[in-house]
Amino acid sequence: AQKVTQAQTEISVVEKEDVTLDCVYETRDTTYYLFWYKQPPSGELVFLIRRNSFDEQNEISGRYSWNFQKSTSSFNFTITASQVVDSAVYFCALSFSSNTGKLIFGQGTTLQVKP
Amino acid sequence: NAGVTQTPKFRILKIGQSMTLQCTQDMNHNYMYWYRQDPGMGLKLIYYSVGAGITDKGEVPNGYNVSRSTTEDFPLRLELAAPSQTSVYFCASSWAGVSGSTEAFFGQGTRLTVV
Repeated sequence: AQKVTQAQTEISVVEKEDVTLDCVYETRDTTYYLFWYKQPPSGELVFLIRRNSFDEQNEISGRYSWNFQKSTSSFNFTITASQVVDSAVYFCALSFSSNTGKLIFGQGTTLQVKP
Repeated sequence: NAGVTQTPKFRILKIGQSMTLQCTQDMNHNYMYWYRQDPGMGLKLIYYSVGAGITDKGEVPNGYNVSRSTTEDFPLRLELAAPSQTSVYFCASSWAGVSGSTEAFFGQGTRLTVV
């Protein structure tokens, strides 16, 4: 079965705190892709990162970083020094090479950053 | 660069009415998708298309129909609207080939209420 689990439904932090959003996935495919999307209050979906299953290198982009660990089937997302503008719903998603790019989404984590 | 354009942004339907959600992309992507997002949930795939003239069902296709006569357009048809179809609908597109798919680009969403 292909599945994405985001166990944290809601997280609330104070500005400048670091926060980690967890993502655990299930797939039997050896080639797959993991994604993070941000959905701000305005409702659109903003692409953040795509990672393929053969690349376990962690990635950093500004205040954002991602930790991909195949051993634990996790692809966690950390925001360093959070800001109010980071308040959004964050989705982790999975696709695999044979599935025509279809995305399997987790339920999302709502992040609230308070000033 | 318009990306993926959906219309309308909001719509209220009465039970039993029909409507078409329009979706156009200008990125020459071969794959297009329709997802729905229910409150507090991740997105679920309704239908997808791998190219003009080719469509297939996703996870939740009942009550919907699609067509893909051109690369650019992928309309979603709701027949006999039901309250269970109250949701936010997202159209997306991506480029997919033998090496997998790129990230999906999403439209702004259509908020549909069936009363």
